[in-house]
Amino acid sequence: KAGVTQTPRYLIKTRGQQVTLSCSPISGHRSVSWYQQTPGQGLQFLFEYFSETQRNKGNFPGRFSGRQFSNSRSEMNVSTLELGDSALYLCASSLFAGEAFFGQGTRLTVV
Amino acid sequence: GENVEQHPSTLSVQEGDSAVIKCTYSDSASNYFPWYKQELGKRPQLIIDIRSNVGEKKDQRIAVTLNKTAKHFSLHITETQPEDSAVYFCAASGTGNQFYFGTGTSLTVIP
Repeated sequence: KAGVTQTPRYLIKTRGQQVTLSCSPISGHRSVSWYQQTPGQGLQFLFEYFSETQRNKGNFPGRFSGRQFSNSRSEMNVSTLELGDSALYLCASSLFAGEAFFGQGTRLTVV
Repeated sequence: GENVEQHPSTLSVQEGDSAVIKCTYSDSASNYFPWYKQELGKRPQLIIDIRSNVGEKKDQRIAVTLNKTAKHFSLHITETQPEDSAVYFCAASGTGNQFYFGTGTSLTVIP
């Protein structure tokens, strides 16, 4: 069974640009969550999608948004990038409540 | 919202000794407590989890205990091996798949 796949693995963007990250969950999983991981703040919850609906949202500005498609694949978008957005962005998929499996992450560097 | 505290932040043990990592949570509605292991440059991997209707769970050398009254849970690794060296994260979750993570424990097993 294929795991959670995130693309791209690495990204370098300039301040002010926008970026879209993609996550394909494990087949059959309908819940996809996104997390930002930084050395200073650890793992912080961004949002969760279930059956194309945002079910939970963390404390991030509106520049961070996401969506989920009918095949459960999810994308997150960050607009007007800031230097502080440099981080590892992880998505996790779940079949039901709990037991979340993480992808390899997308390393975003904003210069 | 939920607040998860994790201690210690770093832990060094001799190979063969036991390691214990402790976490506390604040929201009594949290009912699922996973533990993740993250090696350098890799994704967090679920190593064990426990739900609030269980007090203890064991999987070979790894065990987790939960005290709902005191709102704390612990990870126990026995007979540690060098390959156990990694960063370990505890997390708490209520409804949905929104996880609140501890700040991580960097475990070093000295051969």
